[in-house]
Amino acid sequence: ELKVEQNPLFLSMQEGKNYTIYCNYSTTSDRLYWYRQDPGKSLESLFVLLSNGAVKQEGRLMASLDTKARLSTLHITAAVHDLSATYFCAVVYSGGGADGLTFGKGTHLIIQP
Amino acid sequence: DAGITQSPRHKVTETGTPVTLRCHQTENHRYMYWYRQDPGHGLRLIHYSYGVKDTDKGEVSDGYSVSRSKTEDFLLTLESATSSQTSVYFCAISKGLESTDTQYFGPGTRLTVL
Repeated sequence: ELKVEQNPLFLSMQEGKNYTIYCNYSTTSDRLYWYRQDPGKSLESLFVLLSNGAVKQEGRLMASLDTKARLSTLHITAAVHDLSATYFCAVVYSGGGADGLTFGKGTHLIIQP
Repeated sequence: DAGITQSPRHKVTETGTPVTLRCHQTENHRYMYWYRQDPGHGLRLIHYSYGVKDTDKGEVSDGYSVSRSKTEDFLLTLESATSSQTSVYFCAISKGLESTDTQYFGPGTRLTVL
């Protein structure tokens, strides 16, 4: 059974600071996704990481993947209030057929002015 | 906009009643998914479909059935709703040719079972 663990689950930080969210998964997977969810809204795709050592950046967010350690990180640089949201990592389990995503429980991020 | 609509967007029903949620896509993608989201659990896969009349179970399929008679519509049915099925339900599609391509999510349906 594929398990995906995120930490921290809750993070309150100040604007201008840097921080990292971690995502560990338990079995080999083809790819890893990061999503953002605002309160009461749907999920928005942020990044897809396809291979070991992959790094993607968009604005103040940077995601990386280490498939050997089964670890992905989402790094926030010089946080701003608009980045307040819940962030999910999700992993594909390559069990054949149409593969669904296994999600972490999410990191609820609050960025204080 | 991922080209996905869900209906209804909100529903309150009573225990024991049947409920059907609809997911509609406008782009004829092959792969469609139903997830539920509950506090403390993230999202969990209920059922998925890899084509018309081709569906399979996900992690939390008990108490749910699905049907896909047309490419654009994927229906989720609760045959006899229970309070434990109170949740937010999201439909998703995979826009690529592979099921492992990025999934895009609909707006969600908030279901309350009293």
